[in-house]
Amino acid sequence: AQSVAQPEDQVNVAEGNPLTVKCTYSVSGNPYLFWYVQYPNRGLQFLLKYITGDNLVKGSYGFEAEFNKSQTSFHLKKPSALVSDSALYFCAVRFPNSNSGYALNFGKGTSLLVTP
Amino acid sequence: DSGVTQTPKHLITATGQRVTLRCSPRSGDLSVYWYQQSLDQGLQFLIQYYNGEERAKGNILERFSAQQFPDLHSELNLSSLELGDSALYFCASSGSGGGETQYFGPGTRLLVL
Repeated sequence: AQSVAQPEDQVNVAEGNPLTVKCTYSVSGNPYLFWYVQYPNRGLQFLLKYITGDNLVKGSYGFEAEFNKSQTSFHLKKPSALVSDSALYFCAVRFPNSNSGYALNFGKGTSLLVTP
Repeated sequence: DSGVTQTPKHLITATGQRVTLRCSPRSGDLSVYWYQQSLDQGLQFLIQYYNGEERAKGNILERFSAQQFPDLHSELNLSSLELGDSALYFCASSGSGGGETQYFGPGTRLLVL
């Protein structure tokens, strides 16, 4: 079955340190991959996406993600975390040849806490 | 600001009632999606409309329905409400391609008492 997973419920990192939020997927074919961030009582904000091309994708607010086809992963990274990066992060996948049109399938979310 | 607007922001109602949630997509976007976010189910796709026509259905209950109007705004109708329908309901819009980014509105928080 096709699926997307975020194996960590929470990630803690000190301000200034690099951060990684993990995402893996299970699908046959080439999916479209997205990262969104949700701040408290707010909607989802788009960070970046991978459709095709360069495996390293750069997005908003200094975030980047690396598509790794062999490991079926799309981890979100940032070289130097800020306290203001603390939020809920969602990985989303649009599976190829899906009967659900262009709907996104979301992971459960990872809560990122950046401490001063 | 994503450009997607949703009204109302908050809605409190009683079990058995019916409510309507409204969404206006970004200018030029033809696709509208509805998602439900709850603590136990996470973010789940409900339904997609493209240029007025239903495009895809996800985990949408039979008590729920939606439509997209000629001006491209969309409404999600929830009827015979149950306590478990309490959730955050998001609308998103995008262009027509499969790789198009979906931009989300601020959501409508529904509380069923």
